[in-house]
Amino acid sequence: AQSVAQPEDQVNVAEGNPLTVKCTYSVSGNPYLFWYVQYPNRGLQFLLKYITGDNLVKGSYGFEAEFNKSQTSFHLKKPSALVSDSALYFCAVRPGRGGGATNKLIFGTGTLLAVQP
Amino acid sequence: ETGVTQTPRHLVMGMTNKKSLKCEQHLGHNAMYWYKQSAKKPLELMFVYNFKEQTENNSVPSRFSPECPNSSHLFLHLHTLQPEDSALYLCASSRELGNSYNEQFFGPGTRLTVL
Repeated sequence: AQSVAQPEDQVNVAEGNPLTVKCTYSVSGNPYLFWYVQYPNRGLQFLLKYITGDNLVKGSYGFEAEFNKSQTSFHLKKPSALVSDSALYFCAVRPGRGGGATNKLIFGTGTLLAVQP
Repeated sequence: ETGVTQTPRHLVMGMTNKKSLKCEQHLGHNAMYWYKQSAKKPLELMFVYNFKEQTENNSVPSRFSPECPNSSHLFLHLHTLQPEDSALYLCASSRELGNSYNEQFFGPGTRLTVL
């Protein structure tokens, strides 16, 4: 079955420290990968995506993510966390070429990022 | 703001009520989606529309009835809901289906409580 796993319900980090939010996936073919962020009482906002090419993808608000095909991972990273980064982060995957390409996004359960001042 | 608006933002209804959720997008997109977000669960895709035509119904109970009169508007009609239907309902839009790498843009959601 195609799935996305975010193994941590919550990640705590001090302001100024680097942060990582983990995501692994299981889909056939070459996937398209996405990160979204959800602030309280708001909808999801698109952060970044991997389609093809360079494995390191840069997105909004200083976030970046690295696609690792051998580990089937797409971890979200930021060199220096801000208190305002505190939010719920969702990883999502869509099977791409060779995987029965579909427009259906498969979401993880989300990881709550808490940045302490 | 993402360019996708939803009304109402909050809704409380009894199990015998009929209500509707509205979504409007100002992005020129042609695909629209309804999702259900419950605590500790992945987002559940409910319906997908492309150029006003429904392309996906994810085994959603008939007490949820979508309507897409044009590419900018999407409704979710609610009738005889159950308490377990209480959740955040999110609308999203994207460029037309067919390019599966297009990201989706989400509205702020409607927080629904069924008593």
